[in-house]
Amino acid sequence: EVQLVESGGGLVQPGGSLRLSCAASGFTFSNFWMDWVRQAPGKGLEWVANIKQDESEKYYVDSVKGRFTISRDNAKNSLYLQMNSLRADDTAVYYCVRGLLGATPHWGQGTLVTVSS
Amino acid sequence: QSVLTQPPSASGTPGQRVTISCSGSSSNIGSNSVNWYQQLPGTAPKLLIYSNNQRPSGVPDRFSGSKSGTSASLAISGLQSEDEADYYCATWDDSLNAVVFGGGTKLTVL
Repeated sequence: EVQLVESGGGLVQPGGSLRLSCAASGFTFSNFWMDWVRQAPGKGLEWVANIKQDESEKYYVDSVKGRFTISRDNAKNSLYLQMNSLRADDTAVYYCVRGLLGATPHWGQGTLVTVSS
Repeated sequence: QSVLTQPPSASGTPGQRVTISCSGSSSNIGSNSVNWYQQLPGTAPKLLIYSNNQRPSGVPDRFSGSKSGTSASLAISGLQSEDEADYYCATWDDSLNAVVFGGGTKLTVL
């Protein structure tokens, strides 16, 4: 069974940092692009970043460029999102997604990040 | 303001056919395929349509997708109460080098 389990969310002050992790199982992690997608409370879906299988390509939404870094460890079947200089408008549920634009995407259950003083 | 434009709401009665549009441009829908997602309240989104008009196994054939030029559409026929959800289109944008979503359409079954 395909599983994506996010962790690392929580309450952080503006300007602070958090590192999200996503543990993958049930499929060959190294074969897939991976994405982070977020959803602010009561709002729509917003794509955050994605990363190619071998980390040779990484893309980000403009609003997080220079603040967030996506990475992966294929040996550990894990995806990461390092978030620095957090702002109130980064508050959202963050989802780890296998191959968002592919034919077999799979979403994790999400982890809540709250940026507030 | 989303790069892809969807109507914020749609509605229909049980058994009716409803269509949700997704309008983009030559750099996104015009040159890339579209996925459609359904999000039930309090849950993660679920894939309904990939590659413009392909249904994953397990998705009822009441759901269908199409694309023409820089617009895509999701049609739901034989509307059921359990179809009440938020629907999102998504694709790659070659100019932004980013995935773009529509703003989402809240479907109400009257």
